[in-house]
Amino acid sequence: AQKVTQAQTEISVVEKEDVTLDCVYETRDTTYYLFWYKQPPSGELVFLIRRNSFDEQNEISGRYSWNFQKSTSSFNFTITASQVVDSAVYFCALSEEGSGANSKLTFGKGITLSVRP
Amino acid sequence: DAMVIQNPRYQVTQFGKPVTLSCSQTLNHNVMYWYQQKSSQAPKLLFHYYDKDFNNEADTPDNFQSRRPNTSFCFLDIRSPGLGDAAMYLCATSRPKGLGSTEAFFGQGTRLTVV
Repeated sequence: AQKVTQAQTEISVVEKEDVTLDCVYETRDTTYYLFWYKQPPSGELVFLIRRNSFDEQNEISGRYSWNFQKSTSSFNFTITASQVVDSAVYFCALSEEGSGANSKLTFGKGITLSVRP
Repeated sequence: DAMVIQNPRYQVTQFGKPVTLSCSQTLNHNVMYWYQQKSSQAPKLLFHYYDKDFNNEADTPDNFQSRRPNTSFCFLDIRSPGLGDAAMYLCATSRPKGLGSTEAFFGQGTRLTVV
């Protein structure tokens, strides 16, 4: 069965610090998809990134970067020069190819990030 | 403009009184999902529709039902809400796999309080 572990529960940083959010996953499928979502206090889950299991290229988008390593089953997320607006709960999620045509997501427990001015 | 819209944002219902939450989408996605998220927990999938095909998760209580009258709308019915059903309910949509990006788009959620 699939599983996503976000060992960190709460992280607090001062604005402009870099912060890395860890994600470790388990799956028996050889084809799967990994996601990061941001949940601000308003409640909506905001999609940040999707990664296919066959694409291990790291990605950078502005202040955000993602490090996908199949060898360690990890998909870590780094925010560079954090800002107060980055304060939110961040979820890592997994969708298996074997789950059919849909994108059923298994979520980690989430990491609450607080960025202080 | 919001693409997945949930109404209402906040719902208070009485213990045991049936309640319906609604979700609409403008994305024309085939797949619609309902997730339950209890306080400080991860969202948990209750069920999903692929077009008209309903797929229930094995551990979803019978108290939870869903209807999808057309592509755009999906409803979550809680027949007899208990105190343990108080949660945020999130609706999401996606394209089927094989048709491009499959990320799920979420609505803002309905926070249900049971009194």
